[in-house]
Amino acid sequence: DQQVKQNSPSLSVQEGRISILNCDYTNSMFDYFLWYKKYPAEGPTFLISISSIKDKNEDGRFTVFLNKSAKHLSLHIVPSQPGDSAVYFCAAQTGANNLFFGTGTRLTVIP
Amino acid sequence: EAGVAQSPRYKIIEKRQSVAFWCNPISGHATLYWYQQILGQGPKLLIQFQNNGVVDDSQLPKDRFSAERLKGVDSTLKIQPAKLEDSAVYLCASSSLGQAWGYGYTFGSGTRLTVV
Repeated sequence: DQQVKQNSPSLSVQEGRISILNCDYTNSMFDYFLWYKKYPAEGPTFLISISSIKDKNEDGRFTVFLNKSAKHLSLHIVPSQPGDSAVYFCAAQTGANNLFFGTGTRLTVIP
Repeated sequence: EAGVAQSPRYKIIEKRQSVAFWCNPISGHATLYWYQQILGQGPKLLIQFQNNGVVDDSQLPKDRFSAERLKGVDSTLKIQPAKLEDSAVYLCASSSLGQAWGYGYTFGSGTRLTVV
């Protein structure tokens, strides 16, 4: 049972424009939602997170929005840069426990 | 700080052979995780250790997979015998006990296993 879903396997965006990556979840007990970024042949690296009691968290060019009623979150990258090209994983956890990952979205930023 | 170290980086074995992966977490991190990432999927937890005790191994196929964490530091994950469907990247991650929730874990670069 996939508790975290990323329905878009890939996304292409022009450099300087906004990238929006989406994620849906089914378990209303999740406390935190996280985004990880993964380059080829490397492990995932933590990017940004949001608590379930908030609806927005911002860190530089990255903003995560949470809509609890829709069980949906999104990651906005503005402006997008070629170095942002990677696979982005959405993940969720209850407390300090196991991370449940989505299947990932491959972002390509076109110069 | 040094990151999570894993070895080997790549391994190719024939089905029914055995294989072992090694992980050295970040110094002082009490919690260690092994994840399996099959191509096209997200990482899936296999086993979680806290110090040298197992916290969660509910998703570990115990008929063929085993893991141990020696003295609460390094860990090894073993597969015996391997099947074709075990082809995946095996990721090790660690976190500290005092780490605030929502900061995730630090992952190693992984071991890519190909079973032929």
